[in-house]
Amino acid sequence: GAGVSQTPSNKVTEKGKYVELRCDPISGHTALYWYRQSLGQGPEFLIYFQGTGAADDSGLPNDRFFAVRPEGSVSTLKIQRTERGDSAVYLCASSLRGRGNTGELFFGEGSRLTVL
Amino acid sequence: GENVEQHPSTLSVQEGDSAVIKCTYSDSASNYFPWYKQELGKGPQLIIDIRSNVGEKKDQRIAVTLNKTAKHFSLHITETQPEDSAVYFCAASPGNQFYFGTGTSLTVIP
Repeated sequence: GAGVSQTPSNKVTEKGKYVELRCDPISGHTALYWYRQSLGQGPEFLIYFQGTGAADDSGLPNDRFFAVRPEGSVSTLKIQRTERGDSAVYLCASSLRGRGNTGELFFGEGSRLTVL
Repeated sequence: GENVEQHPSTLSVQEGDSAVIKCTYSDSASNYFPWYKQELGKGPQLIIDIRSNVGEKKDQRIAVTLNKTAKHFSLHITETQPEDSAVYFCAASPGNQFYFGTGTSLTVIP
């Protein structure tokens, strides 16, 4: 289908390792968001891209987290020196923003990260 | 920043009954209020939304009401069916940002 695609769907890693999570948004969507969802909680904002630039990265918890979107399409969320507390589902969403649009977010199915 | 509170956290209803989920928000700049349904292992999906210039919106069995003065909005599901069972999230958006509630786990008992 033409929805938001996230890979991997599941990632198990050891404490201290480096992890990359990929998001392929809906074609033509200029806005891309990363959220983190812990069990029983709502999505927690991490970072928002408009095109290639990070328009708002105020949700990144610390400098171990970084995200890029070099060509304004695919985005990668990078987590260095992973900690057990980083375990969560990382959700990506994209949106077609512009005059007259609703700003609806289309979510991927998420990448479940488990840090042992 | 915006703070969205959602109640109840869990809700069980008999099939055919109505379900109501309520949210409050804090930022008067919020002007867009979507509701998302999340099934197990899936990402959230938009089910209905409302903008701040409208007080109520309905789509078949689902309706949303908004009280800007009181800064609260509600989701109403009528004639509930077992397939309505899921986690529902409200959100408030003051612009490019979306702030989510903590979710309501709805169970519809056949």
